[in-house]
Amino acid sequence: GAVVSQHPSRVICKSGTSVKIECRSLDFQATTMFWYRQFPKQSLMLMATSNEGSKATYEQGVEKDKFLINHASLTLSTLTVTSAHPEDSSFYICSASKGGVRGYTFGSGTRLTVV
Amino acid sequence: QKEVEQNSGPLSVPEGAIASLNCTYSDRGSQSFFWYRQYSGKSPELIMFIYSNGDKEDGRFTAQLNKASQYVSLLIRDSQPSDSATYLCAVNKGNAGNMLTFGGGTRLMVKP
Repeated sequence: GAVVSQHPSRVICKSGTSVKIECRSLDFQATTMFWYRQFPKQSLMLMATSNEGSKATYEQGVEKDKFLINHASLTLSTLTVTSAHPEDSSFYICSASKGGVRGYTFGSGTRLTVV
Repeated sequence: QKEVEQNSGPLSVPEGAIASLNCTYSDRGSQSFFWYRQYSGKSPELIMFIYSNGDKEDGRFTAQLNKASQYVSLLIRDSQPSDSATYLCAVNKGNAGNMLTFGGGTRLMVKP
């Protein structure tokens, strides 16, 4: 159990457009999901905590108006990168937990390239 | 001081040797500890978690926790080239949402 599906796995978009990334917990309900960003050869950086039915909590330095997070149900959170620019090119990963001490399962990640 | 610290490496070991990966954390109230493996270009996958002092073994992997010294380690026995990856240590402080705090990761290279 504890499968997290992330889609798309890879996307190339033009500068100035918006991209939506979906994260689904397939076999469990997740009241909380997390969104990370990872630049090449760097560690995971937490962007925001997505809470079902309420506003996301963003980490310091992350623009909430640029990275829109919606957690409309217990199994789906979406991250929309608005007005994307080349510097937004990165590996975006979501994660969710069934709760307890078992930690988190990560989605397969989305490689975003903005040209 | 970072909340979770790891040596970035690379740690290079020969095939068949024991690889020892270490992690220290700053918050004494931390409750559970996780090791993730991340291959290049892939998302992290959970290897083990531990929340009690001592050792926990799973196959070739052993996690060791010492809360008094605030460190957690991962031993990989009979290291294989396929173990070459970045290993991430993560700590759950038991706060709201069970958020994990990650270390920067240690890159492990197992040479044939």
